[in-house]
Amino acid sequence: NAGVTQTPKFQVLKTGQSMTLQCAQDMNHEYMSWYRQDPGMGLRLIHYSVGAGITDQGEVPNGYNVSRSTTEDFPLRLLSAAPSQTSVYFCASTEGQGLLGYTFGSGTRLTVV
Amino acid sequence: GEDVEQSLFLSVREGDSSVINCTYTDSSSTYLYWYKQEPGAGLQLLTYIFSNMDMKQDQRLTVLLNKKDKHLSLRIADTQTGDSAIYFCAESRRNQGGKLIFGQGTELSVKP
Repeated sequence: NAGVTQTPKFQVLKTGQSMTLQCAQDMNHEYMSWYRQDPGMGLRLIHYSVGAGITDQGEVPNGYNVSRSTTEDFPLRLLSAAPSQTSVYFCASTEGQGLLGYTFGSGTRLTVV
Repeated sequence: GEDVEQSLFLSVREGDSSVINCTYTDSSSTYLYWYKQEPGAGLQLLTYIFSNMDMKQDQRLTVLLNKKDKHLSLRIADTQTGDSAIYFCAESRRNQGGKLIFGQGTELSVKP
């Protein structure tokens, strides 16, 4: 039982490049979400999904796309990377409405130069 | 985060009690959580409290909830150097599909 797995752990991109951050969970959780963490700002919700085929925007969705073709996977796509997207990204999942807490991945540290 | 507030820093001496405070604004919040983040790591769920409870105790951790004032606190008894980390409070908003909203995090520094 691996929990929530994020890849890669570290990535450096040039401005304008695109990439996909991968997130997979093996707990059959319905709800998955992506957060970014920036110093002094806590975690801000980018996108979330309440089940396969359903996604919605969080607080800071601009510049990011998501899809949820399976229950297990929830990739986050950066369309054209910008230095403002330098951050640590966390994927999280939970069953139901998350009433018993979320499981977080270990994070992806992204630097855009 | 949206309307979940925490102070940014707290420094205590080893063996003392630590109290980390949090305020939130959404009265529909169902569960409130405390997460711990150690350097370079993800978030680990420490404890949670249901909104109809006033207090929850779990070993060295005590969570107090004042729903009228929308104030949540985490008390760590006999604080150890291994407790040094960033602590996040978070609320699960029932009227937004259980969306989890985080505070900015409180960095706890424990001095020997």
